[in-house]
Amino acid sequence: ETGVTQTPRHLVMGMTNKKSLKCEQHLGHNAMYWYKQSAKKPLELMFVYSLEERVENNSVPSRFSPECPNSSHLFLHLHTLQPEDSALYLCASSQDLDRGTRGNQPQHFGDGTRLSIL
Amino acid sequence: AQSVAQPEDQVNVAEGNPLTVKCTYSVSGNPYLFWYVQYPNRGLQFLLKYITGDNLVKGSYGFEAEFNKSQTSFHLKKPSALVSDSALYFCAVRDPSGSARQLTFGSGTQLTVLP
Repeated sequence: ETGVTQTPRHLVMGMTNKKSLKCEQHLGHNAMYWYKQSAKKPLELMFVYSLEERVENNSVPSRFSPECPNSSHLFLHLHTLQPEDSALYLCASSQDLDRGTRGNQPQHFGDGTRLSIL
Repeated sequence: AQSVAQPEDQVNVAEGNPLTVKCTYSVSGNPYLFWYVQYPNRGLQFLLKYITGDNLVKGSYGFEAEFNKSQTSFHLKKPSALVSDSALYFCAVRDPSGSARQLTFGSGTQLTVLP
């Protein structure tokens, strides 16, 4: 559909668990993003990768650890999460990093992982 | 700094009536502007964008948006709403002359089209 696939779609975990979210894009894009979407709040950009290099970390707590092994895959490793971390986590990709005139390309989003922390 | 505002959390419109979802922005230069739609349990889908040129931009599903530089607005419109248009709509802005490397999204507007 959108070319960006996220797994799992739903995840319930305890505060002491360790889990990972996976994102895969089949669009040949060079940039990938993690967003957090909470109810009644604007979309929060968490991390940005360009050509497997992390270029942005928007003051995200260390209990969230991203990994980008190649330009098609992006992971978000989770450990010791808090109840306030319950949210929809969205992955997106774009042709290039949103810089300069290349920023005119839209981002393509996956359907997200609904995370619930018990 | 770049910012975007969607002043309405909720917009209700009757099926068949025209709809407008409002967006205003703030950038130091000329903006790139985007509209996305999110259906329940789905990610955001790109609807349309304004980069340069004609102020009226046409996008997917019959939607269009008008760029108004003097009012710093980019309102989303559709001449005749469908019940299936009910969804959450996000406006986003990017200042290509600025230092920010990513889009800034609005807080979203929930559109409900009543049958």
